[in-house]
Amino acid sequence: EIVLTQSPGTLSLSPGERVTLSCRASQSVRSNYLAWYQQKPGQAPRLLIYGASSRASGIPDRFSGSGSGTDFTLTVSRLEPEDFAVYYCQQDGTSPLTFGGGTKVEIK
Amino acid sequence: QLHLQESGPGLVKPSETLSLTCTVSGGSIRNANYYWGWIRQPPGKGLEWIGNIYYTGNTYYNPSLKSRVTTSVDTSQNQFSLSLSSVTAADMAIYYCAWVSGTGAFDIWGQGTMVTVSS
Repeated sequence: EIVLTQSPGTLSLSPGERVTLSCRASQSVRSNYLAWYQQKPGQAPRLLIYGASSRASGIPDRFSGSGSGTDFTLTVSRLEPEDFAVYYCQQDGTSPLTFGGGTKVEIK
Repeated sequence: QLHLQESGPGLVKPSETLSLTCTVSGGSIRNANYYWGWIRQPPGKGLEWIGNIYYTGNTYYNPSLKSRVTTSVDTSQNQFSLSLSSVTAADMAIYYCAWVSGTGAFDIWGQGTMVTVSS
């Protein structure tokens, strides 16, 4: 099973700041099948990025993903008030599909 | 626009079977590019993949749950279902159904349904 480790656990930031979230895999993610989701309280997760770097439909271009192999990042170029949430990475290249533990981005 | 909605009992007794249904609207469950998935999230915790099913009935399960999980598709009702047997308190969670598109990721999610395990 591929274990995904997200860091840091929590980030306290202000609107307008740039944020980079990390997701590290215990082994190489096949074909860079790495996705990122955003989850707000009381809501289902929303797909942001798939294939490590492709934005899902309707996702603003301030969200970007990069990385390959075992190291992946999600960057939000300029935090908007609606971006404060929990972010999860997920690999869908090898069964069982696994999620990271999440990074909470909170308002400072 | 594809829409998914989970339904089922919100309360299940320990050792019994949890049964949930996901109703798909805005698209056909028979679409060859679509997988359908189940994911759960214990309150305040992270996400756990349960399994995926193709409209033909091909299934892929998390090994940690495989012995207790069954999924099925009802193309006539445009629904797919999850059964989890022998539940314990550890199975208390919000259960989500989702659409796995050609991207391989969970593109669209249902709103989720909370299942409590208690006698």
